Order: sequence, then C-alpha cells, then structure tokens
Amino acid sequence: SAVISQKPSRDICQRGTSLTIQCQVDSQVTMMFWYRQQPGQSLTLIATANQGSEATYESGFVIDKFPISRPNLTFSTLTVSNMSPEDSSIYLCSVEGWGRGGPEAFFGQGTRLTVV
Amino acid sequence: AQTVTQSQPEMSVQEAETVTLSCTYDTSENNYDLVWYKQPPSRQMILVIRQEAYKQQNATENRFSVNFQKAAKSFSLKISDSQLGDTAMYFCASSGTYKYIFGTGTRLKVLA
Repeated sequence: SAVISQKPSRDICQRGTSLTIQCQVDSQVTMMFWYRQQPGQSLTLIATANQGSEATYESGFVIDKFPISRPNLTFSTLTVSNMSPEDSSIYLCSVEGWGRGGPEAFFGQGTRLTVV
Repeated sequence: AQTVTQSQPEMSVQEAETVTLSCTYDTSENNYDLVWYKQPPSRQMILVIRQEAYKQQNATENRFSVNFQKAAKSFSLKISDSQLGDTAMYFCASSGTYKYIFGTGTRLKVLA
C-alpha cells in the first residue's frame, strides 16, 4: 500500500493569486497523478507527473494554469495559477500501488480550495 | 476513448437491507480493471472492490459484490446488510494503461 500526505487540506484564496499543493508519498513511485473534483462532481485527471520529465496533461488542462513539479520519486507539487472562482474544487493526488491482491490507486485526502 | 456512466445520482437504503448501484462503461482497452471507490465525508477515497476484466467470476469482498457483464459493459455493485458507515459517495471507474476514468458518482445514504 501507499500512504499519501497532501498539504494543505484546505485553503481560501483570493482570485488572481496562486496556490501550491504538496503531495508526499511514503514510498518511491514512478508516476503520480493529479485529479480535480469539482463540487458534486466526479474526479477528472489533470495530469500525470513523472520524475525527470515534464508532466503529461489531459485535454482541457495546460501547464501554464497547472504547473507541476516532480523533483524526486516521493514528492510532487501542483500549482493552481491565477485562480478564479471556477477553480474552486477538491484537488487530489494519487499513486498506483499494490493493494489487496492487485494494483490499486491510492489517494491523498485532497485539498479543498475555495477561490473568492 | 473511455467513458464510465453512473445513472443514479442518489440512492437510499434502510439499514440491513441490500442495495445495488449501477455502472456502465465503454473502453477501447483490451486489458483493464473495473473498480468501485467509496468517498465518505472525510474525502478519503477508499477502494471497495476490484474486478479484472479478463476474469469471468464476479468479485466479492465481504458484504460487497459485483455483477460484471462484459458483453453488456455493465458493472454493478451490490451492498448487502447495509450499515450506517456505508453512507458515502460511490464512484465506479475503469482502469486502463495507468489511467482511471471515473463515473459521476452515486450518493448513497443508509437510513437507520
């Protein structure tokens, strides 16, 4: 299994500012995933972060808005830049590990972001 | 392209009763898993059950079982003997090459 620590757990930010979310895993992993969960909605993959290379972004998400760092195999950050109220969401970090008899996605507890 | 559809936004069930949550999916992957995750108010995503698509036998995990119909691309979750602690948002997802596609979720409320 993998234990993921995500910080901050919540924040209220002014529009136009940026917030950096940190994700720390208790074991080395090749890929880390960042998801967005808009209010009352499902999880949408923002990007996949590989150590030593640029993150791979999903359709609708761009690096200028959501820059990602992956300095080592246990840590990643996601920055939400130039925030607007539409960015109010829960942001979740995830890694793939080995769970009960098979591969499993493990998640951090998420960062609840409110933009005012 | 992969899609996952959950057509029941909300459901409720009496404690100790059985409830079934529906999920349909579409995928172009040959090798994939299907999973159900639970998200209680704490926001922590918890794996409930996993089905490897190449396996015909339906997965079971204590009170949780699935009805996997590969030809129909259907993957429903049955919760038996529902408990108050089962109250949560339930997400169905398909897992392909290192990527999960989630459905929109079903909010389940277990009533005392």
